[in-house]
Amino acid sequence: DTGVSQDPRHKITKRGQNVTFRCDPISEHNRLYWYRQTLGQGPEFLTYFQNEAQLEKSRLLSDRFSAERPKGSFSTLEIQRTEQGDSAMYLCASSFTANQDTQYFGPGTRLTVL
Amino acid sequence: KQEVTQIPAALSVPEGENLVLNCSFTDSAIYNLQWFRQDPGKGLTSLLLIQSSQREQTSGRLNASLDKSSGRSTLYIAASQPGDSATYLCAVRYGGSNYKLTFGKGTLLTVNP
Repeated sequence: DTGVSQDPRHKITKRGQNVTFRCDPISEHNRLYWYRQTLGQGPEFLTYFQNEAQLEKSRLLSDRFSAERPKGSFSTLEIQRTEQGDSAMYLCASSFTANQDTQYFGPGTRLTVL
Repeated sequence: KQEVTQIPAALSVPEGENLVLNCSFTDSAIYNLQWFRQDPGKGLTSLLLIQSSQREQTSGRLNASLDKSSGRSTLYIAASQPGDSATYLCAVRYGGSNYKLTFGKGTLLTVNP
């Protein structure tokens, strides 16, 4: 059990560019979540997957955001045409149904849009 | 609207003091409540999870309580240490098939040596 990992840890991009983040959950976990956290705020839910199915999306997830979990293992979060307001920490978490669905978080990807 | 509020926003205490962090939620129909610790620029570390049927959970120097009827949870930290300095976040999973967590803004704790 190596924990939830995220890549990259930091990303600096220019406004208008596309970026993609990767999350590798704990291996037996069937649920995967994405959250966004801005300075001084708690994390806000973006979307979640059960296996490969995306079951819920927040209204925060505009049409510039897309998430996938193609084989029910790792997940990617893509932001197209980035805006300065997208600057935040993007957190991934995973959970396992039989473990009370305790969510375990990764270290996050810090995005800065210039 | 389902919200989570944490008071105080910041707390500074001398080493060795016992302290309580507060969390309140607007809807008593919760599934569970989780307390997390976050160090600056880092991800979240799960501290304790309380199911809706439970009243409290303990881990080492930490004790979390849950009172659904009043919409409150507390995190008690005994004999605080400088290493406890971090932001503490409360998160609620509201019931049924709603798996997402709703977070408070956190309490920034500083324990002074």
